[in-house]
Amino acid sequence: SQQGEEDPQALSIQEGENATMNCSYKTSINNLQWYRQNSGRGLVHLILIRSNEREKHSGRLRVTLDTSKKSSSLLITASRAADTASYFCAPPLQTGANNLFFGTGTRLTVIP
Amino acid sequence: DVKVTQSSRYLVKRTGEKVFLECVQDMDHENMFWYRQDPGLGLRLIYFSYDVKMKEKGDIPEGYSVSREKKERFSLILESASTNQTSMYLCASFRQGLSYTFGSGTRLTVV
Repeated sequence: SQQGEEDPQALSIQEGENATMNCSYKTSINNLQWYRQNSGRGLVHLILIRSNEREKHSGRLRVTLDTSKKSSSLLITASRAADTASYFCAPPLQTGANNLFFGTGTRLTVIP
Repeated sequence: DVKVTQSSRYLVKRTGEKVFLECVQDMDHENMFWYRQDPGLGLRLIYFSYDVKMKEKGDIPEGYSVSREKKERFSLILESASTNQTSMYLCASFRQGLSYTFGSGTRLTVV
């Protein structure tokens, strides 16, 4: 089993709707990061949430972290067609590690 | 603006060729990584490096080698390219406590 898994694997919504992506991980963490990848490009860092934070906002993004359940969620509000991309949560590879684990991501399609 | 630059966006090579993928970062980061990304498999770590001349195997190092002679440059080498190495290759770097910065990727096709 893997350190991190995103759910769902794919999500299709209408423009203006909210999109919620979930992440589960296995080990204790100091922080968890979320990244975005446009098709055929590299990943871009979106947000980092620390283990002592339950929620963090950045523009239309809201990330939550529940360390007791070892889960995180990324909410994109009022989605736009330009939000179409894959989204990855990236927990540390293992407890205390600096290296991150990247899974298969959630493929989000926002229909205009 | 800080950058990780991968030398080629697209490459087509023949089976058996020696292939060099270059990655340069301008952020003075100690850590650099090479991943490959295939549909349904996520990002898989090939090699990483914590410092100049240091290298560590990742999850799938077979068929690859790396070189880090200078801090800013991390090269991935396919000694004898094979069709199963057709993939998207992503380079990344980071400094401890910060986020990863990725390059734009190199889509390699081996024919």
